[in-house]
Amino acid sequence: EAQVTQNPRYLITVTGKKLTVTCSQNMNHEYMSWYRQDPGLGLRQIYYSMNVEVTDKGDVPEGYKVSRKEKRNFPLILESPSPNQTSLYFCASSTSRNTGELFFGEGSRLTVL
Amino acid sequence: GENVEQHPSTLSVQEGDSAVIKCTYSDSASNYFPWYKQELGKRPQLIIDIRSNVGEKKDQRIAVTLNKTAKHFSLHITETQPEDSAVYFCAASAGGGADGLTFGKGTHLIIQP
Repeated sequence: EAQVTQNPRYLITVTGKKLTVTCSQNMNHEYMSWYRQDPGLGLRQIYYSMNVEVTDKGDVPEGYKVSRKEKRNFPLILESPSPNQTSLYFCASSTSRNTGELFFGEGSRLTVL
Repeated sequence: GENVEQHPSTLSVQEGDSAVIKCTYSDSASNYFPWYKQELGKRPQLIIDIRSNVGEKKDQRIAVTLNKTAKHFSLHITETQPEDSAVYFCAASAGGGADGLTFGKGTHLIIQP
């Protein structure tokens, strides 16, 4: 089954404690992306990757890091989480950055205390 | 970069009536316009998309219209049903452009029984 898998689905952490949200896709997509969803603000792109070892900032990259060492994996790293990073995070993959269908993961709800 | 405005933010309609959600975009180079549906607690999923070489596209009870001159596009849902209740996101991108997909802020569609 074609899917995008994120972990963890739910996480409560404290300010400053590094965490990683993993994302894996099995569709051999070159393009992967991270979004955060906040009430009234829609889906905002954090980082994206066009291919292995190729990553770039989206609209709201501050406080986040990513890596793309393998085609299927695209982890999101919060080096020192802060309360304003409390959000719902979605990983997505596609055949194309601009015109391909985005396949989203199930989402990771993060709370930073 | 692209800016997508979506209206209304909340739309309540009686079951069986039609619903229309409208979006405007700023970049005249945009040529791909997808719509995503996000049910409560679920991931966004593509429901329909349109490219700039067509003015309208239908898929059963949903349709999307595009007016490139005015730079706006709309989602039309006829004979609404309870399962249509969700948040709907429009998006726009310029294929091959430097920017990827830009989302509107979403419309919460409520179907009243």
